[in-house]
Amino acid sequence: DTAVSQTPKYLVTQMGNDKSIKCEQNLGHDTMYWYKQDSKKFLKIMFSYNNKELIINETVPNRFSPKSPDKAHLNLHINSLELGDSAVYFCASSPRPADTQYFGPGTRLTVL
Amino acid sequence: QKEVEQDPGPLSVPEGAIVSLNCTYSNSAFQYFMWYRQYSRKGPELLMYTYSSGNKEDGRFTAQVDKSSKYISLFIRDSQPSDSATYLCAMRTSNTGNQFYFGTGTSLTVIP
Repeated sequence: DTAVSQTPKYLVTQMGNDKSIKCEQNLGHDTMYWYKQDSKKFLKIMFSYNNKELIINETVPNRFSPKSPDKAHLNLHINSLELGDSAVYFCASSPRPADTQYFGPGTRLTVL
Repeated sequence: QKEVEQDPGPLSVPEGAIVSLNCTYSNSAFQYFMWYRQYSRKGPELLMYTYSSGNKEDGRFTAQVDKSSKYISLFIRDSQPSDSATYLCAMRTSNTGNQFYFGTGTSLTVIP
């Protein structure tokens, strides 16, 4: 009974392509996040949504566009993929903003 | 200078040893401190969550916060091979609109 799930788990694609990663949580949480973890394991927040409203939007290229169709889902669409986008992307959720976060299993994106 | 500094290791200890993992930070406004454990190719999972200064114990794990020195520690007693993972510290201010800041993680291997 997965709490925070992401699809796909692995994504290998060519430079210039557009791709999406999906996230769903069944914890009833109000807040969801996208993080990027680089090869050195540094975890950096990208976006946060609370009740489908964007509340944190870090300095991220506008090729990255999050979408929250409802409180339980937060998807990430990436346009014109670049080599530097290769990383593990984690979705997380928390009951309220800045509360304890529960992470998904990650999506390992490789851009060739 | 990063908000949160953490020695990446790797740290290798024999089974049964006491492990000490540490983070330092620069923002004196940080009030909430967390430790996450991340197994290889998995998402981070919350281990300990503390507020302000002091100690918190949970089984073999003890979290310690020294706000005067801007220093937090996680101690693992009687370490087990199953403790082998990357440990990430994270912290935030009391402002609920603010994000969490993560350390880069310390890689720990417990040798049987």
